[in-house]
Amino acid sequence: QQQVKQSPQSLIVQKGGISIINCAYENTAFDYFPWYQQFPGKGPALLIAIRPDVSEKKEGRFTISFNKSAKQFSLHIMDSQPGDSATYFCAASRTNRDDKIIFGKGTRLHILP
Amino acid sequence: DTGVSQDPRHKITKRGQNVTFRCDPISEHNRLYWYRQTLGQGPEFLTYFQNEAQLEKSRLLSDRFSAERPKGSFSTLEIQRTEQGDSAMYLCASSFSGVDTEAFFGQGTRLTVV
Repeated sequence: QQQVKQSPQSLIVQKGGISIINCAYENTAFDYFPWYQQFPGKGPALLIAIRPDVSEKKEGRFTISFNKSAKQFSLHIMDSQPGDSATYFCAASRTNRDDKIIFGKGTRLHILP
Repeated sequence: DTGVSQDPRHKITKRGQNVTFRCDPISEHNRLYWYRQTLGQGPEFLTYFQNEAQLEKSRLLSDRFSAERPKGSFSTLEIQRTEQGDSAMYLCASSFSGVDTEAFFGQGTRLTVV
């Protein structure tokens, strides 16, 4: 049972464009939704995270949009740059139960120069 | 403290051999996680500790896998009688427990079973 479903598997975007990655979750007990970025040969690193009491969070060029009723959230990368080329993972956790982080399968993003 | 450290970075072993990996978390962190990542997949949860207590172990973890965190500091993950299907990147992460806590990952140990 996959608790966090991520799409697309891969994405190619022109430099300066908007990259959009989507995730859906099943467990309504999740209360923390981070996005991680991973470069080849490195471990994942936290990019941005959101709680379900807000519908949007923005940090620089990265925005999370959250739809609690649809149990979906998405990552938007504005003005995408070649340096953003990486694999992105959405994730979810039940921090009120001090629980582990569950990851999606990842999206490999490639930004064309 | 420079972050989560994992050793070794790469390990090649013959099928049937035992291997042990080490993780040194960020020193103040009481939570330590082990994940496994195969090519093109997201990290899969294996087990986690709060201090020295192992709180949960995934059903993915067969009896050949064991993890310890003596004294709540570093952790070891041992795989006995390795199989080719064990080939993967093994990631360690650490964090504080509680809300809004960021998990910091190490660079992983890449295991190849031949």
